[in-house]
Amino acid sequence: SAVISQKPSRDICQRGTSLTIQCQVDSQVTMMFWYRQQPGQSLTLIATANQGSEATYESGFVIDKFPISRPNLTFSTLTVSNMSPEDSSIYLCSVATAPGDEQFFGPGTRLTVL
Amino acid sequence: QKEVEQNSGPLSVPEGAIASLNCTYSDRGSQSFFWYRQYSGKSPELIMFIYSNGDKEDGRFTAQLNKASQYVSLLIRDSQPSDSATYLCAVSPAGGGNKLTFGTGTQLKVEL
Repeated sequence: SAVISQKPSRDICQRGTSLTIQCQVDSQVTMMFWYRQQPGQSLTLIATANQGSEATYESGFVIDKFPISRPNLTFSTLTVSNMSPEDSSIYLCSVATAPGDEQFFGPGTRLTVL
Repeated sequence: QKEVEQNSGPLSVPEGAIASLNCTYSDRGSQSFFWYRQYSGKSPELIMFIYSNGDKEDGRFTAQLNKASQYVSLLIRDSQPSDSATYLCAVSPAGGGNKLTFGTGTQLKVEL
């Protein structure tokens, strides 16, 4: 499976600021996704990052709050904008070779908002 | 009704025993089913996936799928303390597609 890295691994941020999380894959992948895992909860899909076009967001998530870029087949960023303590969570990117295939997860970014 | 349901546990089994983890799902047309293992503070790691009714074995792990009853299970034979983790069931929707819906996970504890 692909090797996936995320930066930063963790961060502590102040309310009202923004943080951009990077996801890098060591090989080209068709599908890239962004998930959130809030404390003690399971994973929730935020959006599918589409190469060269706007991301596809799930219900409850909007582009203004979570802008996503995917300039090529190996890299994507997720920005958490105008953060509040409720955004404290682990943010994970995942990749899949093709639609419907198994997904592999990056190590995650642990975000704490004060 | 939750889309994917799992017993949160903890499920405690003695070392060497068989651990049985269960998952039910509400979308009858769901296509693909995945089991992930998540150690505390780590990201989910794929263990098994299954698409067809029946059993699929990989080493000490067996996934079982029954689409008529809408459940999928994971059996872990010869459980080891290193198997202690949270196991997440994930389901992809009818028609295939990318969105995985995760259950809340079952915490497994393998005791010496």
